[in-house]
Amino acid sequence: EIVLTQSPDFQSVTPKEKVTITCRASQSIGSDLHWYQQKPDQSPKLLIRYASQSISGVPSRFNGSGSGTEFTLSINSLEAEDAAAYYCHQTSNLPHTFGQGTKLEIK
Amino acid sequence: QVQVVESGGGLVKPGGSLRLSCAASGFTFGDYYMKWIRQAPGKGLEWVAHISSSGRTIYYADSVKGRFTISRDNAKNSLYLQMNSLRVEDTAVYYCVATYAYWGQGTLVTVSS
Repeated sequence: EIVLTQSPDFQSVTPKEKVTITCRASQSIGSDLHWYQQKPDQSPKLLIRYASQSISGVPSRFNGSGSGTEFTLSINSLEAEDAAAYYCHQTSNLPHTFGQGTKLEIK
Repeated sequence: QVQVVESGGGLVKPGGSLRLSCAASGFTFGDYYMKWIRQAPGKGLEWVAHISSSGRTIYYADSVKGRFTISRDNAKNSLYLQMNSLRVEDTAVYYCVATYAYWGQGTLVTVSS
């Protein structure tokens, strides 16, 4: 089973800051890595697919990069509405595992 | 417009059974592998089961193997999860997901005496 480890687990940031969340895979997964945002009582929302591909309707301040075993989600110029949990998810090998999540708090 | 709608959740006693259903529309259901993902209260996301587009290939998480059965009916654009021998630790919101892309709103399963 591929283990995905996100860092940090929690981050408190001020509006307009830039945030970077890292997801490390226990073995190479190519670019089969996707990022989600989840707000309380909502289902996860796809932000980035295949490591770096943007999703229609997602603000351009969300960017993904990486391949192999190390991936990053960057959020430029953070807004109050970005307060949420963020998850990475690999679909390279079954079982399709998730990172443990990163909770973002906006000060 | 893509829609994925789960149903069938509820309160059940330990050892009981439930059948979840998922109705999909707005995309070619038979072209997509499907999976069930769950999220226990206050916890992260956990992959539960996977079924290929044809239904011929199926995988389960170790935590549910032998108790849960995933199936699909491509003619009805529907996915199912039969859950037997339910445990308290199966309490979660269950999401129906098409590949990685399309998620439902989830259905809550509560296992409690």
